[in-house]
Amino acid sequence: EPEVTQTPSHQVTQMGQEVILRCVPISNHLYFYWYRQILGQKVEFLVSFYNNEISEKSEIFDDQFSVERPDGSNFTLKIRSTKLEDSAMYFCASFRVNTEAFFGQGTRLTVV
Amino acid sequence: TQLLEQSPQFLSIQEGENLTVYCNSSSVFSSLQWYRQEPGEGPVLLVTVVTGGEVKKLKRLTFQFGDARKDSSLHITAAQTGDTGLYLCAGERGNNRLAFGKGNQVVVIP
Repeated sequence: EPEVTQTPSHQVTQMGQEVILRCVPISNHLYFYWYRQILGQKVEFLVSFYNNEISEKSEIFDDQFSVERPDGSNFTLKIRSTKLEDSAMYFCASFRVNTEAFFGQGTRLTVV
Repeated sequence: TQLLEQSPQFLSIQEGENLTVYCNSSSVFSSLQWYRQEPGEGPVLLVTVVTGGEVKKLKRLTFQFGDARKDSSLHITAAQTGDTGLYLCAGERGNNRLAFGKGNQVVVIP
């Protein structure tokens, strides 16, 4: 069964460093999303991407964040200068048109 | 402000018992989804409900969407230890963006 894959599974980074989280969505999906989940808290929407551009972003998704789909298959989330509060599980999801979301296993980002 | 309130936040029951958890909102949703999440993993979709009053069954799990499409419930019959997990509801309001509740943590004790 097709699945969304995310790499790396765990990333430890120094505060102020840039990180890139990678996702390979399901190939025939059209909508791509990043969500994050701080430990013990709810899953929070970050950004949605459709037709090679951002369609919506939350207040969390500030200028430090960016997304790209550089080669038509990978979907990346970049955090330019990480802060301690960016530590969380980051989930990529891809959607079919009828909004059933398939999530990746997540990347655990730890900022030290 | 929480768009989706899930209750109870934590529920512990004996194997074989029944349980019901709830997902409530003051907003109307075009669809509502239930996911189950294991520790350290991504949410896995269980069901999508679309029509007000709709009831869907997935083996021992019964999902109901409220008539006004603002709330939903999940009922588990004869719970098993494998049902242990965090159950998340997520609502979609027509923009393909899902808003999640905090989840119902269910623990089934053998």
